[in-house]
Amino acid sequence: QKEVEQNSGPLSVPEGAIASLNCTYSDRGSQSFFWYRQYSGKSPELIMSIYSNGDKEDGRFTAQLNKASQYVSLLIRDSQPSDSATYLCAVMDSNYQLIWGAGTKLIIKP
Amino acid sequence: GAGVSQSPSNKVTEKGKDVELRCDPISGHTALYWYRQRLGQGLEFLIYFQGNSAPDKSGLPSDRFSAERTGESVSTLTIQRTQQEDSAVYLCASSLEEGVEQYFGPGTRLTVT
Repeated sequence: QKEVEQNSGPLSVPEGAIASLNCTYSDRGSQSFFWYRQYSGKSPELIMSIYSNGDKEDGRFTAQLNKASQYVSLLIRDSQPSDSATYLCAVMDSNYQLIWGAGTKLIIKP
Repeated sequence: GAGVSQSPSNKVTEKGKDVELRCDPISGHTALYWYRQRLGQGLEFLIYFQGNSAPDKSGLPSDRFSAERTGESVSTLTIQRTQQEDSAVYLCASSLEEGVEQYFGPGTRLTVT
Protein backbone atom coordinates (compact mmCIF):
# COMPACT_ATOMS: atom_id res chain seq x y z
CA GLN A 1 0.00 0.00 0.00
CA LYS A 2 1.63 3.22 -1.18
CA GLU A 3 1.14 6.00 1.32
CA VAL A 4 1.77 9.71 1.69
CA GLU A 5 1.66 10.98 5.25
CA GLN A 6 1.03 14.53 6.39
CA ASN A 7 0.26 15.99 9.78
CA SER A 8 -3.40 17.02 9.60
CA GLY A 9 -2.86 20.09 11.77
CA PRO A 10 -4.11 22.67 12.17
CA LEU A 11 -0.71 24.33 12.06
CA SER A 12 -0.94 27.83 13.43
CA VAL A 13 1.75 30.33 12.42
CA PRO A 14 1.98 34.06 13.16
CA GLU A 15 1.82 36.43 10.22
CA GLY A 16 5.28 37.15 8.86
CA ALA A 17 6.82 33.94 10.20
CA ILE A 18 7.96 30.86 8.25
CA ALA A 19 5.45 28.05 7.87
CA SER A 20 6.96 24.58 7.48
CA LEU A 21 4.85 21.77 6.05
CA ASN A 22 6.12 18.21 5.94
CA CYS A 23 5.31 15.06 4.04
CA THR A 24 6.71 11.52 4.00
CA TYR A 25 6.06 8.85 1.40
CA SER A 26 6.44 5.10 1.26
CA ASP A 27 7.23 4.34 -2.40
CA ARG A 28 11.00 4.61 -2.77
CA GLY A 29 10.64 4.56 -6.57
CA SER A 30 8.67 7.82 -6.67
CA GLN A 31 10.19 10.46 -8.92
CA SER A 32 7.79 13.40 -8.99
CA PHE A 33 6.52 15.41 -6.06
CA PHE A 34 3.96 18.17 -5.88
CA TRP A 35 2.49 20.62 -3.41
CA TYR A 36 -1.06 21.89 -3.89
CA ARG A 37 -3.02 24.49 -1.98
CA GLN A 38 -6.75 24.07 -1.45
CA TYR A 39 -8.94 26.81 -0.08
CA SER A 40 -12.19 25.74 1.53
CA GLY A 41 -14.79 24.98 -1.13
CA LYS A 42 -12.29 25.32 -3.98
CA SER A 43 -10.31 22.88 -6.07
CA PRO A 44 -6.59 22.19 -5.51
CA GLU A 45 -4.16 24.68 -7.01
CA LEU A 46 -0.61 23.68 -7.91
CA ILE A 47 2.05 25.59 -5.98
CA MET A 48 5.29 23.71 -6.59
CA SER A 49 6.66 20.65 -8.29
CA ILE A 50 10.03 19.11 -7.48
CA TYR A 51 11.79 16.22 -9.17
CA SER A 52 15.36 16.14 -7.82
CA ASN A 53 16.96 16.21 -4.40
CA GLY A 54 17.56 19.60 -2.85
CA ASP A 55 15.71 22.88 -2.71
CA LYS A 56 13.55 24.60 -5.29
CA GLU A 57 12.50 28.19 -4.68
CA ASP A 58 9.62 30.15 -6.21
CA GLY A 59 8.90 33.50 -4.61
CA ARG A 60 7.99 32.98 -0.96
CA PHE A 61 7.77 29.20 -1.44
CA THR A 62 10.58 26.67 -1.16
CA ALA A 63 10.13 22.96 -1.75
CA GLN A 64 12.71 20.59 -0.31
CA LEU A 65 13.19 16.96 -1.36
CA ASN A 66 15.25 14.25 0.28
CA LYS A 67 14.71 10.95 -1.55
CA ALA A 68 17.01 9.01 0.78
CA SER A 69 14.78 9.94 3.72
CA GLN A 70 11.61 9.82 1.58
CA TYR A 71 10.72 13.26 2.78
CA VAL A 72 9.44 16.38 1.05
CA SER A 73 8.65 19.70 2.65
CA LEU A 74 7.25 23.11 1.77
CA LEU A 75 8.43 26.32 3.41
CA ILE A 76 6.38 29.49 3.16
CA ARG A 77 8.32 32.63 4.08
CA ASP A 78 6.70 35.85 5.29
CA SER A 79 3.40 34.03 5.84
CA GLN A 80 0.27 36.01 5.03
CA PRO A 81 -3.32 35.46 6.18
CA SER A 82 -4.14 34.63 2.55
CA ASP A 83 -1.85 31.59 2.87
CA SER A 84 -4.38 30.04 5.27
CA ALA A 85 -5.56 26.91 3.47
CA THR A 86 -5.09 23.16 3.36
CA TYR A 87 -1.81 22.09 1.75
CA LEU A 88 -1.78 18.79 -0.07
CA CYS A 89 1.34 16.77 -0.77
CA ALA A 90 1.14 14.48 -3.80
CA VAL A 91 3.66 11.88 -4.97
CA MET A 92 3.66 10.31 -8.44
CA ASP A 93 4.15 6.55 -8.42
CA SER A 94 5.66 4.44 -11.19
CA ASN A 95 2.19 3.91 -12.72
CA TYR A 96 1.74 7.67 -13.16
CA GLN A 97 -0.85 7.74 -10.40
CA LEU A 98 -0.69 10.58 -7.91
CA ILE A 99 -0.81 9.36 -4.33
CA TRP A 100 -2.27 12.11 -2.19
CA GLY A 101 -1.70 13.00 1.42
CA ALA A 102 -4.72 13.96 3.49
CA GLY A 103 -3.47 17.54 3.76
CA THR A 104 -2.27 19.90 6.47
CA LYS A 105 -4.54 22.75 7.48
CA LEU A 106 -2.48 25.93 7.86
CA ILE A 107 -3.76 28.95 9.78
CA ILE A 108 -1.86 32.22 9.60
CA LYS A 109 -2.75 34.43 12.54
CA PRO A 110 -2.61 38.21 12.00
CA GLY B 1 -5.05 30.45 -21.70
CA ALA B 2 -8.20 28.60 -20.71
CA GLY B 3 -7.94 26.22 -17.82
CA VAL B 4 -9.79 22.99 -17.16
CA SER B 5 -13.53 23.48 -17.23
CA GLN B 6 -16.22 21.26 -15.77
CA SER B 7 -19.96 21.20 -16.09
CA PRO B 8 -22.34 21.41 -14.45
CA SER B 9 -20.88 23.23 -11.44
CA ASN B 10 -23.66 21.88 -9.26
CA LYS B 11 -25.98 18.95 -9.75
CA VAL B 12 -28.80 17.83 -7.48
CA THR B 13 -30.37 14.52 -8.41
CA GLU B 14 -32.71 12.01 -6.90
CA LYS B 15 -31.47 8.66 -5.71
CA GLY B 16 -31.61 6.11 -8.52
CA LYS B 17 -31.18 8.59 -11.37
CA ASP B 18 -28.22 8.62 -13.74
CA VAL B 19 -25.92 11.63 -13.98
CA GLU B 20 -23.30 12.68 -16.47
CA LEU B 21 -20.43 14.99 -15.56
CA ARG B 22 -18.30 16.68 -18.17
CA CYS B 23 -14.68 17.78 -18.23
CA ASP B 24 -12.88 19.90 -20.83
CA PRO B 25 -9.11 19.66 -20.30
CA ILE B 26 -6.54 22.30 -21.13
CA SER B 27 -5.94 22.27 -24.87
CA GLY B 28 -3.06 19.98 -25.81
CA HIS B 29 -3.05 18.07 -22.54
CA THR B 30 -2.95 14.36 -23.29
CA ALA B 31 -3.62 13.05 -19.79
CA LEU B 32 -6.89 13.53 -17.95
CA TYR B 33 -7.79 12.47 -14.42
CA TRP B 34 -11.00 12.14 -12.39
CA TYR B 35 -11.08 12.40 -8.61
CA ARG B 36 -13.77 12.42 -5.97
CA GLN B 37 -13.63 14.46 -2.78
CA ARG B 38 -16.22 13.93 -0.10
CA LEU B 39 -16.86 16.74 2.37
CA GLY B 40 -13.90 17.18 4.70
CA GLN B 41 -12.04 14.28 3.12
CA GLY B 42 -9.00 13.88 0.91
CA LEU B 43 -8.83 13.27 -2.83
CA GLU B 44 -9.90 9.85 -4.06
CA PHE B 45 -8.54 8.78 -7.45
CA LEU B 46 -11.15 7.38 -9.82
CA ILE B 47 -9.68 6.95 -13.30
CA TYR B 48 -7.21 8.48 -15.71
CA PHE B 49 -6.91 8.67 -19.48
CA GLN B 50 -3.79 8.88 -21.59
CA GLY B 51 -5.19 9.98 -24.90
CA ASN B 52 -8.43 8.10 -25.35
CA SER B 53 -7.40 5.00 -23.44
CA ALA B 54 -7.81 4.42 -19.72
CA PRO B 55 -4.76 2.51 -18.43
CA ASP B 56 -5.95 2.67 -14.84
CA LYS B 57 -9.58 2.22 -13.85
CA SER B 58 -8.73 0.83 -10.45
CA GLY B 59 -10.26 3.70 -8.54
CA LEU B 60 -13.80 3.41 -9.88
CA PRO B 61 -15.87 2.54 -6.77
CA SER B 62 -18.36 0.23 -8.47
CA ASP B 63 -19.71 -0.80 -11.86
CA ARG B 64 -22.19 2.07 -11.60
CA PHE B 65 -19.31 4.39 -12.48
CA SER B 66 -17.94 4.67 -15.99
CA ALA B 67 -15.97 7.22 -17.94
CA GLU B 68 -15.02 7.86 -21.50
CA ARG B 69 -12.92 10.29 -23.42
CA THR B 70 -13.25 11.06 -27.08
CA GLY B 71 -10.93 12.88 -29.45
CA GLU B 72 -8.26 13.32 -26.75
CA SER B 73 -10.38 16.13 -25.43
CA VAL B 74 -13.65 16.07 -23.55
CA SER B 75 -14.31 13.39 -20.97
CA THR B 76 -17.56 12.37 -19.33
CA LEU B 77 -17.99 10.57 -16.04
CA THR B 78 -21.30 8.74 -15.76
CA ILE B 79 -22.81 7.52 -12.53
CA GLN B 80 -25.76 5.20 -12.93
CA ARG B 81 -28.44 4.61 -10.31
CA THR B 82 -26.99 7.24 -8.01
CA GLN B 83 -26.84 6.59 -4.28
CA GLN B 84 -26.58 9.06 -1.42
CA GLU B 85 -22.99 8.03 -0.79
CA ASP B 86 -22.14 9.32 -4.27
CA SER B 87 -22.65 12.87 -2.98
CA ALA B 88 -19.29 14.62 -3.29
CA VAL B 89 -17.31 17.05 -5.39
CA TYR B 90 -16.04 15.41 -8.58
CA LEU B 91 -12.79 16.96 -9.74
CA CYS B 92 -11.16 16.68 -13.12
CA ALA B 93 -7.50 17.45 -13.79
CA SER B 94 -5.35 17.40 -16.89
CA SER B 95 -1.64 17.31 -17.55
CA LEU B 96 0.53 17.82 -20.62
CA GLU B 97 1.60 14.21 -20.39
CA GLU B 98 1.77 11.42 -17.84
CA GLY B 99 3.93 12.07 -14.83
CA VAL B 100 3.94 15.85 -14.75
CA GLU B 101 1.93 18.59 -13.06
CA GLN B 102 -1.83 18.19 -12.98
CA TYR B 103 -4.12 21.19 -13.21
CA PHE B 104 -7.58 21.00 -11.72
CA GLY B 105 -10.93 22.24 -12.86
CA PRO B 106 -13.39 23.88 -10.45
CA GLY B 107 -15.25 20.64 -9.82
CA THR B 108 -18.86 19.49 -9.97
CA ARG B 109 -20.69 19.33 -6.67
CA LEU B 110 -23.07 16.39 -6.80
CA THR B 111 -25.85 16.04 -4.26
CA VAL B 112 -28.00 12.93 -4.26
CA THR B 113 -31.26 13.35 -2.36
